[in-house]
Formats: sequence, structure tokens, C-alpha cells
Amino acid sequence: DQQVKQNSPSLSVQEGRISILNCDYTNSMFDYFLWYKKYPAEGPTFLISISSIKDKNEDGRFTVFLNKSAKHLSLHIVPSQPGDSAVYFCAAQTTSGTYKYIFGTGTRLKVLA
Amino acid sequence: NAGVMQNPRHLVRRRGQEARLRCSPMKGHSHVYWYRQLPEEGLKFMVYLQKENIIDESGMPKERFSAEFPKEGPSILRIQQVVRGDSAAYFCASSPRGLAGGQYFGPGTRLTVT
Repeated sequence: DQQVKQNSPSLSVQEGRISILNCDYTNSMFDYFLWYKKYPAEGPTFLISISSIKDKNEDGRFTVFLNKSAKHLSLHIVPSQPGDSAVYFCAAQTTSGTYKYIFGTGTRLKVLA
Repeated sequence: NAGVMQNPRHLVRRRGQEARLRCSPMKGHSHVYWYRQLPEEGLKFMVYLQKENIIDESGMPKERFSAEFPKEGPSILRIQQVVRGDSAAYFCASSPRGLAGGQYFGPGTRLTVT
């Protein structure tokens, strides 16, 4: 049972344009969401997070939007740069539990120069 | 500040052998999480440990897999009698305490079972 879903396995975007990565979840108990970026042969690195009490969080070129009623979150990267090319995972937590992450299957972003 | 360290980075085992994966958390971190990534899949939670305690092992296979985080030394993920299906990347993450966000990942150990 995949509680966190990333339905687009890959995405290609032109340099300078906006990248939008999407994530859906099914468990209404999730109350904290994160995006991680992963390069080949490396561990995931934290990008940005959002608590369920907010609907938007921004950090430089990265913005995460949360729509609780739709159980949907998205990551916007503006402007996209070639160095952003990586696999992006969304993850969800239940902070009343053991804080383990439930990950989506990832979206491979390719930013074309 | 050293990050989360994992060794070995690559491990090759024949079917039936044992695999031991080590994770040294960041300095000051007493909580360790292990995740497994199978090819073309996301990371799946396996186990959450604090020093000398297993807090949540709901993601661990029932047989052949065990984990520990002793008072001194690294956390160890042990896989006995490995099979080809155990081939995966195993990632360790640490945090200073259980909290929202806050997990820092190591570079992973890629296990190949031949």
C-alpha cells in the first residue's frame, strides 16, 4: 500500500523555466512533509519541508505548497538550473508517532541547458 | 562537522553469507533510522533505534534481519544468509532526537548479492 505517491517518474524542463514536482498521499495522519534531492551514489539531502498547519513554505528558489483537502503537495523550483538535475523524493511523517519517513518513489528531474 | 558515516560503501556477498552494514551517526545524534532502496523504488523505512533500544522495527523483514545501536560504537544492520533479493542500497539517517524533519542521511551502502 503506497501511502505516498509520485506519479511522474521523470520530468524534463528547460533551464530558467519552472519545475513543478507533484506528490499525493493517502494517510490523513501525516502532519509533516519534506522534499529530498538525491544524486546517484549519494544519500538524500534535505531541501525543504512544510508542516500541515501551513499551506506554503519558501526557501530561495524552492517553494513547497500543501493542499490538505486534496492530500497533495508540490515542489516548485524557479528558475531551474542544470545543477538541479537529480531524483526528488517527497516524504511524509506522523509527528505523534516514531518520526519515520514514508517516501514516494521519486521523480527524476532533468534540466536542459 | 562530520556527517553520517556509513561503511562499507559497497559490499558484495555470495548467497548464504552474512552482511554487516555500519552507521556512525552525526556527533550528538542518538537516534538512528535505517531505510532500504530497491532498484527503481523509493526508500522504505526498516527500523528506528535509540541508544541500546529498538523503538520501531515495523519495516524489518521478520527473518534474517536484525539491527542494533549499542551504547558505544556504530549502529549495525545485520543480514544473515543473504539472498539475491537483498541486493539494494541501504541508507542510515540520524537525528538528535525524534522530531519533525531533522533526519540527516549517510551516503548509503550498496549491497550486491551474487
